[in-house]
Amino acid sequence: AQKITQTQPGMFVQEKEAVTLDCTYDTSDQSYGLFWYKQPSSGEMIFLIYQGSYDEQNATEGRYSLNFQKARKSANLVISASQLGDSAMYFCAMREDYSNSGYALNFGKGTSLLVTP
Amino acid sequence: GAGVSQTPSNKVTEKGKYVELRCDPISGHTALYWYRQSLGQGPEFLIYFQGTGAADDSGLPNDRFFAVRPEGSVSTLKIQRTERGDSAVYLCASSFGLLNEQFFGPGTRLTVL
Repeated sequence: AQKITQTQPGMFVQEKEAVTLDCTYDTSDQSYGLFWYKQPSSGEMIFLIYQGSYDEQNATEGRYSLNFQKARKSANLVISASQLGDSAMYFCAMREDYSNSGYALNFGKGTSLLVTP
Repeated sequence: GAGVSQTPSNKVTEKGKYVELRCDPISGHTALYWYRQSLGQGPEFLIYFQGTGAADDSGLPNDRFFAVRPEGSVSTLKIQRTERGDSAVYLCASSFGLLNEQFFGPGTRLTVL
């Protein structure tokens, strides 16, 4: 069963606008972590932001914030003031702290973001 | 400081050959992970190490795949009798602890002809 679902294969946003990338997850664990990574065309995965399941406040890192709605099992990424350099693939991932696969990350299929001038 | 490095960056081989992919984690990182990313997909977990031992290898697709980390630092992913379906980008990541964010290397693009 898919643990991470990213329903938007591709998104467009105009420079300087905000954009929300959707992510829903499926787990029965109480303790888990949610991550967002950026993958530019160069291929390297760049860590953006982390939210722990017990964190009460939404995580923020500069222009990135994570809209964590635990009851809905969603962890959307919000990018404010988009820049041309934000154009990339974005992956949502989950770590289940007590799963059989240890601490490996389960990734979604990704959302391709294109920022236009 | 230096990030995670992987060599080679590209590897082209023929079906049936043996390949080794190397990963050099960030100094001091105890956990090391291997993932495989096929075209248009997110990375899929293969194996992870805590120190020298493989803590979980449940993601390895079959017994043609094997990985080692003999001194708790550099790791090598070994693939025997390669098949065309093994073509993908192989990503390595390391973290300071198991609950911390994973830092990824640039990947090795493996092409099996």
